[in-house]
Amino acid sequence: GDSVTQMEGPVTLSEEAFLTINCTYTATGYPSLFWYVQYPGEGLQLLLKATKADDKGSNKGFEATYRKETTSFHLEKGSVQVSDSAVYFCALSTGFQKLVFGTGTRLLVSP
Amino acid sequence: DTGVSQNPRHKITKRGQNVTFRCDPISEHNRLYWYRQTLGQGPEFLTYFQNEAQLEKSRLLSDRFSAERPKGSFSTLEIQRTEQGDSAMYLCASSPGTDTGELFFGEGSRLTVL
Repeated sequence: GDSVTQMEGPVTLSEEAFLTINCTYTATGYPSLFWYVQYPGEGLQLLLKATKADDKGSNKGFEATYRKETTSFHLEKGSVQVSDSAVYFCALSTGFQKLVFGTGTRLLVSP
Repeated sequence: DTGVSQNPRHKITKRGQNVTFRCDPISEHNRLYWYRQTLGQGPEFLTYFQNEAQLEKSRLLSDRFSAERPKGSFSTLEIQRTEQGDSAMYLCASSPGTDTGELFFGEGSRLTVL
C-alpha cells in the first residue's frame, strides 16, 4: 500500500541554520504530496504542497520539490527561526484527499 | 473562531466504558474526516463523509467504532467497550470538497483508557 517515510527526530538546530527534513514515499499512482506542521498546542495545518512531478511547493520560507525519479519530497528552509519549532509531517494523497502521513519529525530551534 | 471544533478535548475512561467524541467542521465544508494518532506516529485515516454519506472506512475501524454525520453537519465518533489500545488522539478534519488537497484539522480529542 501507499506509505511515507521521513527522517526520525528530533532535529536540533541553532537559529539561522539550514534545515532539511527528508521524506520519501511509495505509491501505486501519481500522488499529491504535502507537508503539514503542528505547532505546540495547535492542530495540524498545511504548510505546502505539490501536485505533480517537478512542482515546487513553498510557504513561509520553506520549500519542497516533488521528485518522481527519487520518490522524494524533502523539506528545506535556508534560515530557521525559533518560531519554526514544531512537528513536521510529510503526507501523500492519491484521491479524495485521504492522506497517508509519515511519522513526523520534531524540529527544535534554539536561539 | 470558525475553525474545526472538537469536544471533549480530553477524556479519561475505564476499560469497557463507551465514549463519544463530537466534531463541528467549518460550516461550508462538505467533507469530514476522522483520523487517529498514537504517540510518536503520524495520523492514520479512519473514515470520511461526503455530506451525510459515509463513503469509506479503514480496516482500523473495528465493529466497536461507529461514526455518524446526521444532516451533513457535525459528526460523532463513538467507541464502545473501550480497550487500552484505543488510547490515542482522535483528529477531525474537514475540507470544502474541491481537490486542493488541504484538510483543516481540529486540535483533537485525547482519549485515555485506564
